[in-house]
Amino acid sequence: ETGVTQSPTHLIKTRGQQVTLRCSSQSGHNTVSWYQQALGQGPQFIFQYYREEENGRGNFPPRFSGLQFPNYSSELNVNALELDDSALYLCASSSGTSSYEQYFGPGTRLTVT
Amino acid sequence: QQQVKQSPQSLIVQKGGISIINCAYENTAFDYFPWYQQFPGKGPALLIAIRPDVSEKKEGRFTISFNKSAKQFSLHIMDSQPGDSATYFCAASKRGGVGAQKLVFGQGTRLTINP
Repeated sequence: ETGVTQSPTHLIKTRGQQVTLRCSSQSGHNTVSWYQQALGQGPQFIFQYYREEENGRGNFPPRFSGLQFPNYSSELNVNALELDDSALYLCASSSGTSSYEQYFGPGTRLTVT
Repeated sequence: QQQVKQSPQSLIVQKGGISIINCAYENTAFDYFPWYQQFPGKGPALLIAIRPDVSEKKEGRFTISFNKSAKQFSLHIMDSQPGDSATYFCAASKRGGVGAQKLVFGQGTRLTINP
């Protein structure tokens, strides 16, 4: 069984640029959730994708968008980067909206300068 | 309604001692309460979880105690070891519907086990 993987590991971008982060869900999982974790804080829910459709969104602006592909992998896109977007971006996968357990990937560390 | 409050912010325990971390929630719709362990530079790892139909769950040295009427739950780490030094997060979610499984996290507790 393959765990959740994310790429890239680290990324440095300039304010105003756009970024795409990628996540491969655990084998057999069809649901992916994205979280933002600022330094010293708990993760904050961005949105969730279930069977290629957005299934709930947290308190993040529209410049945060996502996609889920037929193989259930997912992308997080952030446009017009701001300094406060610097954080660890985590994806978590689960086996459908009726299950509880979510398993996190190692995260992508994004630094905006 | 969506908050989960965690305490203490940091905790130092001697090797072999008991580490206790507490959380309180507001939303009575929550029906799943996991604890995650996170090491520096890593993603959170699911440690143990409980549902509100039981008051206690034990897995090895880790125990969750749950008080539904008080809307509180806690993590106990028995015989704490230096390898347990990490940041611990409590969380809560509800199953089903739009945004199901949206985990609401506490602020985290940095646990240090002194040898």
